[in-house]
Amino acid sequence: DTAVSQTPKYLVTQMGNDKSIKCEQNLGHDTMYWYKQDSKKFLKIMFSYNNKELIINETVPNRFSPKSPDKAHLNLHINSLELGDSAVYFCASRRTGEGEKLFFGSGTQLSVL
Amino acid sequence: QKEVEQDPGPLSVPEGAIVSLNCTYSNSAFQYFMWYRQYSRKGPELLMYTYSSGNKEDGRFTAQVDKSSKYISLFIRDSQPSDSATYLCAMGVHSNYQLIWGAGTKLIIKP
Repeated sequence: DTAVSQTPKYLVTQMGNDKSIKCEQNLGHDTMYWYKQDSKKFLKIMFSYNNKELIINETVPNRFSPKSPDKAHLNLHINSLELGDSAVYFCASRRTGEGEKLFFGSGTQLSVL
Repeated sequence: QKEVEQDPGPLSVPEGAIVSLNCTYSNSAFQYFMWYRQYSRKGPELLMYTYSSGNKEDGRFTAQVDKSSKYISLFIRDSQPSDSATYLCAMGVHSNYQLIWGAGTKLIIKP
């Protein structure tokens, strides 16, 4: 009965590889987000989709590409991974009109070696 | 200058103490204010949400907003070791999908 679930929880990979992180929410929300949290705990928004439409696209290298096949899913694909991509990536969702209350997944710890 | 300033700590207090966590902000257009709690290796979870100046209480937690001073606070009464976590403030404007986050304050409650 997990509300926002991400897979995998841990991802260890070599520089230059391509990897994907998946996110699913079963809350019936219409807006989903990807955030990056660095080692100092600062949360930085990357992307947001509302009803499968990209509405926020922050200054993120174009090696990062989000995909939303439907309202309940938002995946993140990363090409040519770099050392600086190491961080925790959080998926979040909310329902438009219910305040701005975000519900977060438990995060994906990405380590690029 | 960042839009939202929050002391990263760590803040260490003995069990049972009253804890005060704070954020200041520069954008007077912010309409709603939130506090999230994040345990180690977990995602942030919403703790308090308010959109007006004044106090809002929920159990041991009180959120306070002073829009004239652009200052928000979270008070924790009778603090417990289980309250040890990072507390993040966030705020925004209703017409915008984006939240603006503080850097988070790491709180340690010593038994």
